[in-house]
Amino acid sequence: KQEVTQIPAALSVPEGENLVLNCSFTDSAIYNLQWFRQDPGKGLTSLLLIQSSQREQTSGRLNASLDKSSGRSTLYIAASQPGDSATYLCAVNRGGSEKLVFGKGTKLTVNP
Amino acid sequence: GAVVSQHPSRVICKSGTSVKIECRSLDFQATTMFWYRQFPKQSLMLMATSNEGSKATYEQGVEKDKFLINHASLTLSTLTVTSAHPEDSSFYICSALQGGEKLFFGSGTQLSVL
Repeated sequence: KQEVTQIPAALSVPEGENLVLNCSFTDSAIYNLQWFRQDPGKGLTSLLLIQSSQREQTSGRLNASLDKSSGRSTLYIAASQPGDSATYLCAVNRGGSEKLVFGKGTKLTVNP
Repeated sequence: GAVVSQHPSRVICKSGTSVKIECRSLDFQATTMFWYRQFPKQSLMLMATSNEGSKATYEQGVEKDKFLINHASLTLSTLTVTSAHPEDSSFYICSALQGGEKLFFGSGTQLSVL
C-alpha cells in the first residue's frame, strides 16, 4: 500500500527566505508526482507535476525534484513571500491510475 | 485553466438528515470525477471514482449505501451523504479529469453534522 509522508508538518519562515519541503513515498512504482497548494477551506491548485521519467520541474520561484528510486521529492520555494502561506500537498498516482495518494501536507507560514 | 465548481462550500445539518454536494465541470466534459474526504490534520483520502453513466467505484472501507454518487451527465457528479452522523463531519472535495490527463479540483465542502 502506497504511503506518502511530508516533512515538516508545519514551517514558519521570514519573508525572502528560500525553503525546501520534503515528500517521501513508499512504493516507487508511481506514474507521476504532483505538488498542490491548498488555501484554508478551499480547493487544491496544482503547482507542479513531475512524470516518473523526469527529475525536476520548474515554475517561477518553484522547483520540484523527483528521485523515484529513493522515493523522495522536494519542493523548493525561492524568495518566499507572505502570499506563499498555505498548505502544500504532495500526491502520487498509483501505477498509471488517475487516483491520487496524498500526504498530510506541510503548512507554510511566511511572515512579513 | 479549467474550472470545477463545488457547492455548497459549507453545510451544517442535524444528525440523521441527508446532504447533497454537487461537483460541476464548468468548461469541459468530465467522464470521470473523484470524491475525496479530509479529516482534520489527515490526508485527503479517495472515497470513490464517479463514472458518467455507470456505477461509482468505491474505495475499501467506504459505504456505498451511505455515500451515494450520481454522475448523470458529463459535467455533474453529486455526492449524497445519507443519514449523516457527527462522525461524517469532514471536508469533502471533488476533482474532475479533463481529457483523460489533468485533474482539476473543486473548492471543497465543509460538512458539520450536529
